[in-house]
Amino acid sequence: QQQVKQSPQSLIVQKGGISIINCAYENTAFDYFPWYQQFPGKGPALLIAIRPDVSEKKEGRFTISFNKSAKQFSLHIMDSQPGDSATYFCAASGPGNQFYFGTGTSLTVIP
Amino acid sequence: KAGVTQTPRYLIKTRGQQVTLSCSPISGHRSVSWYQQTPGQGLQFLFEYFSETQRNKGNFPGRFSGRQFSNSRSEMNVSTLELGDSALYLCASSPRTSGNWGTDTQYFGPGTRLTVL
Repeated sequence: QQQVKQSPQSLIVQKGGISIINCAYENTAFDYFPWYQQFPGKGPALLIAIRPDVSEKKEGRFTISFNKSAKQFSLHIMDSQPGDSATYFCAASGPGNQFYFGTGTSLTVIP
Repeated sequence: KAGVTQTPRYLIKTRGQQVTLSCSPISGHRSVSWYQQTPGQGLQFLFEYFSETQRNKGNFPGRFSGRQFSNSRSEMNVSTLELGDSALYLCASSPRTSGNWGTDTQYFGPGTRLTVL
């Protein structure tokens, strides 16, 4: 059973546009929700993370929106750039520190 | 600080062979987790080690095993390789000080690309 469901599988956005990736989880014990960015040939790199005591966290052009009651969280990339083209993974973790990852979203930003 | 390092970066083996992958965590990090990444399944958790003890284990067969040394370096072993074991194997380290059993940030290495022929 997929603990974290991620959509869409792929996304194409024009330069300057907003990229939105969504994730949903089932386990209410999860208390840490990171997003990772992965370029081809590289390991995932932590992009931004949120804990459920806040509904939004912003770091530069990247924002996480968190809806605890709906058990959903999303990544918004403002002013998307070609250099943002990568695969993005959401994840969730809780007591015991085991991480569950979404299946990834391949983002392509067109110049 | 240097990041997580993994060796080798690429490996080609044949079915039935065994393989050992190595991971050196970020200095001071005591927890090491291993993941298998494939196009169809995404990142699948294999196991986590802390202070030389396996703390968590994912849903993989016993052919997949690991260990952690006193310097926190970790190795992962896969015996009797199958074609389906072809994947990118990722190692992640996290600080995890003693007594802190809450959720912790993980930092990934570049991975070892294993191809089984």
